[in-house]
Formats: sequence, structure tokens, C-alpha cells
Amino acid sequence: AQSVSQHNHHVILSEAASLELGCNYSYGGTVNLFWYVQYPGQHLQLLLKYFSGDPLVKGIKGFEAEFIKSKFSFNLRKPSVQWSDTAEYFCAVNARQAGTALIFGKGTTLSVSS
Amino acid sequence: GAVVSQHPSRVICKSGTSVKIECRSLDFQATTMFWYRQFPKQSLMLMATSNEGSKATYEQGVEKDKFLINHASLTLSTLTVTSAHPEDSSFYICSAQGEHRLDEQFFGPGTRLTVL
Repeated sequence: AQSVSQHNHHVILSEAASLELGCNYSYGGTVNLFWYVQYPGQHLQLLLKYFSGDPLVKGIKGFEAEFIKSKFSFNLRKPSVQWSDTAEYFCAVNARQAGTALIFGKGTTLSVSS
Repeated sequence: GAVVSQHPSRVICKSGTSVKIECRSLDFQATTMFWYRQFPKQSLMLMATSNEGSKATYEQGVEKDKFLINHASLTLSTLTVTSAHPEDSSFYICSAQGEHRLDEQFFGPGTRLTVL
């Protein structure tokens, strides 16, 4: 069965610190990979996605993620976080075919202090 | 971009009543819609997958008679929580996938259900 594991439950950083959130997935076939962000009281927003091609993908708000196939990982990074990045971050995966649902990780709460 | 709406955004109901939540794709035809449930401080859990014109496929542990899903058109899916109880209180989120973007889903803003 597919599964997504996010290693960090709660990350606390100061502004300007660098961020890396871990995500590993378990799936036997070809997958699409996503990172979503959920700001307090708001709905899910797509940060970035990987379907194929360059394994280093850049998303909105300065976020990027690297797909390492051999490690089944898709870690999220940002070189310098801001207070406004405080949110819940979800890694998700689905099989690369139409009509397949996303499987989400448990999420990582990021708290950034100013 | 593709927009998905949900209505209502919040609903409070008494135990034993039924609540209907609508999910609409506003600017594309959604061949597949997904319903998720999110408990506070937890991740999204898939409840069911529905394709237009056919019966929904429910995930293990989700009662199909309690959570009725209808996907009667390419732009509308509804989730009805029947005989709601306090333990059904949660955040319900739908997402939609269309033929134009088979590899991406677009999420609605969610519906907060509180059962008293």
C-alpha cells in the first residue's frame, strides 16, 4: 500500500534560518509528488509538484524540493524562512494515472519566530 | 487556474440530523472528485473517490450508508452526512480532477462541520 512519511512533526525556527522538511514515500510504481501548505484557518495550497524531468523543482514563495528516486524522498527546502511561513506542510503522493487520490503524510507544523 | 468551491464553509447541526456539503468545479469539468476528512492537527484522510455518473468508491472503514456521495454532473459532487453525531465533527475537503489536467487535483476550501 502507498504511504507517505514526514519525519518532523513540529519544527521551530527563527526568521532567516534555513528549512528542510523530510518526506519519504512508499509505492512500487511511478508517482507524482506534491507539497501543500495550509496556513492557519485557510485551505490547502499547492507549493510545488514533481511529475517528471528535472528532480529539483521550484515552487512558490521561494520553496524548492528535490526528488531522489533511490531514496524515495522528496524533501522540501527553503534557504531563509519568514514569519509568514508559519503553517502546516503536507507531503502527498499519487500514482501517475488518472483518477487516483492523493495520499498525504501526517504533516509538519512549522513555527517561525520573528 | 482551476477553481473548486465548497458550500457551506461552516455548518453546525444537532445530533441526528443530516447535512449536505456541495463541491463544485467552477471553470472545468471534473471527471473525478475526492472527499477527504481532516481532524484537528491531523492529516487529510481519503474517504471516497467518485467518478461522474457512477457509484463512489469508499475507503476501508468509511461507512457508505453514513456518508452518501453523489456525483451527478461533471461540475458537482455532494457529500451527505446522514444522522450526524458529534464524532462526525470534522473538516471535510473535496478535490477535483479534470480531463484537462489528469495529473493534478484542485482542492476546495473545506467545510467545517460541528455536530452538537
